[in-house]
Amino acid sequence: DIQMTQSPSSLSASVGDRVTITCRASQSIATYLNWYQQKPGRAPKLLIYAASSLQSEVPSSFSGSGSGTDFTLTISSLQPEDFATYYCQQSYTTLRTFGQGTKVEMK
Amino acid sequence: QVQLQESGPGLVKPSQTLSLTCTVSGGSISSGGYYWSWIRQPAGKGLEWIGRVYTSGGTNTNPSLKSRVTISIDTSKNQFSLQLTSVTAADTAVYYCTRESSYDSNEFDYWGQGTLVTVSS
Repeated sequence: DIQMTQSPSSLSASVGDRVTITCRASQSIATYLNWYQQKPGRAPKLLIYAASSLQSEVPSSFSGSGSGTDFTLTISSLQPEDFATYYCQQSYTTLRTFGQGTKVEMK
Repeated sequence: QVQLQESGPGLVKPSQTLSLTCTVSGGSISSGGYYWSWIRQPAGKGLEWIGRVYTSGGTNTNPSLKSRVTISIDTSKNQFSLQLTSVTAADTAVYYCTRESSYDSNEFDYWGQGTLVTVSS
């Protein structure tokens, strides 16, 4: 199995802050990396696919980068609606695996 | 706009079989380029991929669930289903049905709202 490790597990930030979340794969996954946002009681929502492609209708304040084993999700200016939990997910192997999640909380 | 909706019992007794159905609307489940998957999330925990079914009926499942999982598809009803046998309390979770696109990065681009299944006597 490919293990996905996110850091940090949680962070506190303020509206307008730049937020960066990292995701590391236990082996190279090229750019088969996707990012999701999940709010309490809701299903995850796709934000970024193929490491850096922005899903339709997702604000341009979200961006992704990386390849191989190290990836980053960046929120350039945190908005009130961005407080949520974020997950990375690899699709390099048939057995899809997710990171443990990063909770972005209000400072 | 594609929509997915899970349905099935919210309470299952230990050792019995969990059965869920996902109904797809706004598009044909037979459309090429997509897989139909199940993902679960225990309360307060992360996401676990259970498995997927192809339009052809072929499947892939998470080895951690061993032989307990069966995923099937009914193209005539635009539905796909999950059966999980010999359930225990550890199978208590919100279960999501999803569409996985094979066109880019095999991302899960559409999700059902999720259904909570509790395993308890």
